Amino acid sequence: DAGVIQSPRHEVTEMGQEVTLRCKPISGHDYLFWYRQTMMRGLELLIYFNNNVPIDDSGMPEDRFSAKMPNASFSTLKIQPSEPRDSAVYFCASRLNAEAFFGQGTRLTVV
Amino acid sequence: QQPVQSPQAVILREGEDAVINCSSSKALYSVHWYRQKHGEAPVFLMILLKGGEQKGHEKISASFNEKKQQSSLYLTASQLSYSGTYFCGTELDDYKLSFGAGTTVTVRA
Repeated sequence: DAGVIQSPRHEVTEMGQEVTLRCKPISGHDYLFWYRQTMMRGLELLIYFNNNVPIDDSGMPEDRFSAKMPNASFSTLKIQPSEPRDSAVYFCASRLNAEAFFGQGTRLTVV
Repeated sequence: QQPVQSPQAVILREGEDAVINCSSSKALYSVHWYRQKHGEAPVFLMILLKGGEQKGHEKISASFNEKKQQSSLYLTASQLSYSGTYFCGTELDDYKLSFGAGTTVTVRA
């Protein structure tokens, strides 16, 4: 298995634009997590899914953020409109049992 | 709610030991430890379940005191390869895996 795949790896966008981050989890994993990493706050949990159903989105910072998981092999995190303070590395992770496997992350820069 | 880690950073010389602490205000089902190298994704080290288990990975071990909702990660006889940021992840009974701010470990020759 290729592991958790995220795209794009890097994204630079202008303030106010819509940004969509994508994640393909490991096949067979039933939990999917979205995290945001910054120097100040470390790894923040934004939302997680179980069997494609959102379980807890209390970490989503604002209504500008939304996440979907239309099927077991794909999830998106969307920011609309984007702001400079959204600049961070966004990680997707999937999990079946104890270990969570992380993707390589998307480095988002909003200018 | 994110667990609290301490210290924020530690600098070691090869062969020295260090302890990283993690605490939570809520009753935990498990504690996870991950290590992240610069520019890479976090990688799983170990999980500790309720029951005070102490586990190991190479010369890295950890303990979990469920009464105090605290876990400690022990880096013994540190090697250059131990450098990175260590994250404590806590889980209640709902598979919600939340991480702390991390502890940056620098091991120097």
